[in-house]
Amino acid sequence: AQSVTQPDIHITVSEGASLELRCNYSYGATPYLFWYVQSPGQGLQLLLKYFSGDTLVQGIKGFEAEFKRSQSSFNLRKPSVHWSDAAEYFCAVGGNNDMRFGAGTRLTVKP
Amino acid sequence: SQTIHQWPATLVQPVGSPLSLECTVEGTSNPNLYWYRQAAGRGLQLLFYSVGIGQISSEVPQNLSASRPQDRQFILSSKKLLLSDSGFYLCAWSVQAPVAFFGQGTRLTVV
Repeated sequence: AQSVTQPDIHITVSEGASLELRCNYSYGATPYLFWYVQSPGQGLQLLLKYFSGDTLVQGIKGFEAEFKRSQSSFNLRKPSVHWSDAAEYFCAVGGNNDMRFGAGTRLTVKP
Repeated sequence: SQTIHQWPATLVQPVGSPLSLECTVEGTSNPNLYWYRQAAGRGLQLLFYSVGIGQISSEVPQNLSASRPQDRQFILSSKKLLLSDSGFYLCAWSVQAPVAFFGQGTRLTVV
């Protein structure tokens, strides 16, 4: 069965510091992988996705993620965090008719 | 452009009362439609998905049901709410599956 694990429930970084959010997945075939961001009380916004091809994918708001098949990982990175990046981040793995989400990582940004 | 509408935004209902949450999509045809629930501090759980009118797949046995009376309308219902039904409910759609776009969510509190 497909599943997604986000090991870090909460991460705090200083504004301007780099960020890496971890995501590990379990899937029977080549997965479709996603990162979403959720601001408090809001829906989810797609940051980036991986379907195939280049394993380093660029997304919106300066985020990128790297698919590593050998590690079953799809970690999200940003070189310099802005205060507006404070939110909840969800990794997801999908098939044709469903998507499974991790439990989320809450990001706090210190001034 | 495509938009998704979900209402109401917040809802407080007593235990044992019925529930009806509505989601409509504009600007696309024959979308896949999804209902997710997000419990406090947890990730998103897929409740139902639909690939066409009248076609509903249920992911988990529970107190809820879904219906799709029109191509771009997806309704989440319950005959009698339980306290455990409290949560944040998100509707989503996709056409080029499995990329999903989310509504703004409904915060349901059962008291």
